[in-house]
Amino acid sequence: AQSVTQLDSQVPVFEEAPVELRCNYSSSVSVYLFWYVQYPNQGLQLLLKYLSGSTLVKGINGFEAEFNKSQTSFHLRKPSVHISDTAEYFCAVRRGGGYNKLIFGAGTRLAVHP
Amino acid sequence: DVKVTQSSRYLVKRTGEKVFLECVQDMDHENMFWYRQDPGLGLRLIYFSYDVKMKEKGDIPEGYSVSREKKERFSLILESASTNQTSMYLCASSTNRGPYEQYFGPGTRLTVT
Repeated sequence: AQSVTQLDSQVPVFEEAPVELRCNYSSSVSVYLFWYVQYPNQGLQLLLKYLSGSTLVKGINGFEAEFNKSQTSFHLRKPSVHISDTAEYFCAVRRGGGYNKLIFGAGTRLAVHP
Repeated sequence: DVKVTQSSRYLVKRTGEKVFLECVQDMDHENMFWYRQDPGLGLRLIYFSYDVKMKEKGDIPEGYSVSREKKERFSLILESASTNQTSMYLCASSTNRGPYEQYFGPGTRLTVT
């Protein structure tokens, strides 16, 4: 059975500091991984995805993530955050059984302070 | 751009009422999904549909039903709303070709009093 664990429920950080949001997964099928962002009062927007190939994936808004198969991790990073990055971030893994169903982590709330 | 719209952003209903949440996508996607989002629990799948009139239960289907009469439209029905169904409801769609992402609507925040 697949599962996703986001290791931090909240991450406070100062503007222009680097940030890492941690995600661990378990999966018995081919691994497809996603990071989504949810700004206040909005739906989810795709930040980046790992399907195959290079383990370093670049996404929108300066975010990147690294797929580590041996550690079953897919951590999200940004070298310098802005106030506008304040949002909730969700890691997800594709389920087995087709239809592009996803399993989501519980979310990490990133709070960027001036 | 893919667009997923939901009929209401905010909804307040009374206990026992029948509630309809509607979702429309404009990208001819085969798959559509309904989730509820609660703090600390992430997104949990209620139901999904992979074709017109075809549906499967997700992880938390109790108290909900769905309808998909047209490819672009997927409705979530609360037959008799209860206070524990107060939540944010998110609709999503995806193609069935390849391991592609889901596209989300803006959400409906439902309060049952």
